[in-house]
Amino acid sequence: TQLLEQSPQFLSIQEGENLTVYCNSSSVFSSLQWYRQEPGEGPVLLVTVVTGGEVKKLKRLTFQFGDARKDSSLHITAAQPGDTGLYLCAGPSNNTDKLIFGTGTRLQVFP
Amino acid sequence: EPEVTQTPSHQVTQMGQEVILRCVPISNHLYFYWYRQILGQKVEFLVSFYNNEISEKSEIFDDQFSVERPDGSNFTLKIRSTKLEDSAMYFCASSEARGNSYNSPLHFGNGTRLTVT
Repeated sequence: TQLLEQSPQFLSIQEGENLTVYCNSSSVFSSLQWYRQEPGEGPVLLVTVVTGGEVKKLKRLTFQFGDARKDSSLHITAAQPGDTGLYLCAGPSNNTDKLIFGTGTRLQVFP
Repeated sequence: EPEVTQTPSHQVTQMGQEVILRCVPISNHLYFYWYRQILGQKVEFLVSFYNNEISEKSEIFDDQFSVERPDGSNFTLKIRSTKLEDSAMYFCASSEARGNSYNSPLHFGNGTRLTVT
């Protein structure tokens, strides 16, 4: 069974701080996706990483896929209150239609 | 930008009642999905639908659940006899191609919060 574990589960920080969220598995994934979900809304795709070791940047967000394609990280530089939300990693299950979602990291950024 | 729309946003029902959750996927998408998220838990796959039939379903998707695409635009999830443990956010999603490929991301609706009392 493919599982994705995220850490930390909760994170409360002040505006301007940096943070890193981790997504780990014992299984290899062909790609991993990161979503942000705000209260009352569905998950919104931020990025997909495909190649082992790949780094992608989206403004202040930096995403990295592990060399072995078993883990990924999301680093936010100078966090802002607008970054508040639930961050989810997800990966495709082998030979099926479904996405497997991680346990989620709930981020709260205080002004 | 086109989006997936879901109705209602909140549905309260009594245990044992039937509910139908409605979704309008993005118009040129071919694959449709239902996921659910019980409060405080992970987003879980329920079912995928392609070419007017179920292509895959999870162990959660038992005989109480059914999906239908009654016309060219709507995609529905029916729960025949709701149980307390069916209380969750239900998300519809769609994609252009098979959603587990990196170049065909899923687009999610804003969900229906189902409360079974």
